[in-house]
Amino acid sequence: GENVEQHPSTLSVQEGDSAVIKCTYSDSASNYFPWYKQELGKGPQLIIDIRSNVGEKKDQRIAVTLNKTAKHFSLHITETQPEDSAVYFCAASKAGGTSYGKLTFGQGTILTVHP
Amino acid sequence: DGGITQSPKYLFRKEGQNVTLSCEQNLNHDAMYWYRQDPGQGLRLIYYSQIVNDFQKGDIAEGYSVSREKKESFPLTVTSAQKNPTAFYLCASSIDPLSLEQYFGPGTRLTVT
Repeated sequence: GENVEQHPSTLSVQEGDSAVIKCTYSDSASNYFPWYKQELGKGPQLIIDIRSNVGEKKDQRIAVTLNKTAKHFSLHITETQPEDSAVYFCAASKAGGTSYGKLTFGQGTILTVHP
Repeated sequence: DGGITQSPKYLFRKEGQNVTLSCEQNLNHDAMYWYRQDPGQGLRLIYYSQIVNDFQKGDIAEGYSVSREKKESFPLTVTSAQKNPTAFYLCASSIDPLSLEQYFGPGTRLTVT
């Protein structure tokens, strides 16, 4: 089955710096890669996703890049703010046709943005 | 307000007791999921349901049971057979089983002593 590895497990940055979180996946058939943000005591919230037919996607201060050859994808947050502090999870899924798209999650990254 | 609700937020039980966690959604989503989250680990799938009256085991179904009698409800029972039940439990839903976007509820933290 699919295996997703996420690094680093913790990341500390100063406000205004950029943050990068990386994930690798094992199944070359995976074609959907979402990123979730989880604040303390809450459920994860989908913040951005990318599909395998796209190499990069941006939404304001966040972006995701995908390298299918190397089987890794990354989350980039620019101009970080204290409210970006949370746990971030990556996930991978293969779906299409009649198959159920099970999400396999990475272990999570605790991001702390210091004011 | 549309969304997923889980109750209660905190739940305490004695070892050996079964406990049922509630998950309700008013999004008219067909598919629903239960995940378990432990410190320092990603989310692991317990059970999922693609449609009413149907559900399948996920990766860690042992010691858990579910039912899906109504579209909007997907309760999870943690049985006494679950060896390490203390965890944060998350319910999610998606428009249909083929939809890749899952939306999560706020979670229930279960503590068993």
